Amino acid sequence: GAVVSQHPSRVICKSGTSVKIECRSLDFQATTMFWYRQFPKQSLMLMATSNEGSKATYEQGVEKDKFLINHASLTLSTLTVTSAHPEDSSFYICSARWTGAGEKLFFGSGTQLSVL
Amino acid sequence: AQSVTQLGSHVSVSEGALVLLRCNYSSSVPPYLFWYVQYPNQGLQLLLKYTTGATLVKGINGFEAEFKKSETSFHLTKPSAHMSDAAEYFCAVSSSSGGGADGLTFGKGTHLIIQP
Repeated sequence: GAVVSQHPSRVICKSGTSVKIECRSLDFQATTMFWYRQFPKQSLMLMATSNEGSKATYEQGVEKDKFLINHASLTLSTLTVTSAHPEDSSFYICSARWTGAGEKLFFGSGTQLSVL
Repeated sequence: AQSVTQLGSHVSVSEGALVLLRCNYSSSVPPYLFWYVQYPNQGLQLLLKYTTGATLVKGINGFEAEFKKSETSFHLTKPSAHMSDAAEYFCAVSSSSGGGADGLTFGKGTHLIIQP
């Protein structure tokens, strides 16, 4: 089956620094990728929709200047958490939309971000 | 607007016993419903989905779910639990059959524990 690679799986950073998370579709092209965030014991919440070659669409309440999304190629989307603070500590997970025969979503394994 | 409620953050069953994970949804449009499983350190994997047609949906690993519109439910079942079923299970709803047109709305997840 299709594979989505997300890197890194875990990152610890100091408050005020920026962290980049990569999401790659390894064996298919994904014009659309999604970024989710999950706080402990909470649902996965959609943060933004990333479309190749255009600006990302952010959900209400998500700061676009803080969570920078770049989808420069059909196989790579990146999420950069800028000037991270402890409240940004969370589990971030991406998914890539496959539009072959039918439509499917494939998920990365997630990134646990801890901001000290 | 759409939402998903999963009853029980943790469910524990004995090996060989029936597995029942509950999911209720709300949606202003005809829903497409999904169950995903997440094993430790892995991405979400689609178990099954309901789009249209038959309300009893069979998925992988012996799981099935029944869409009950009158009860706004999509409970997941498996007749006989196996140790390898221990994982986190997420119910999700979307307005598109593949879940990818506008992202998925997830429940909080249910951690399934299998006792030997």
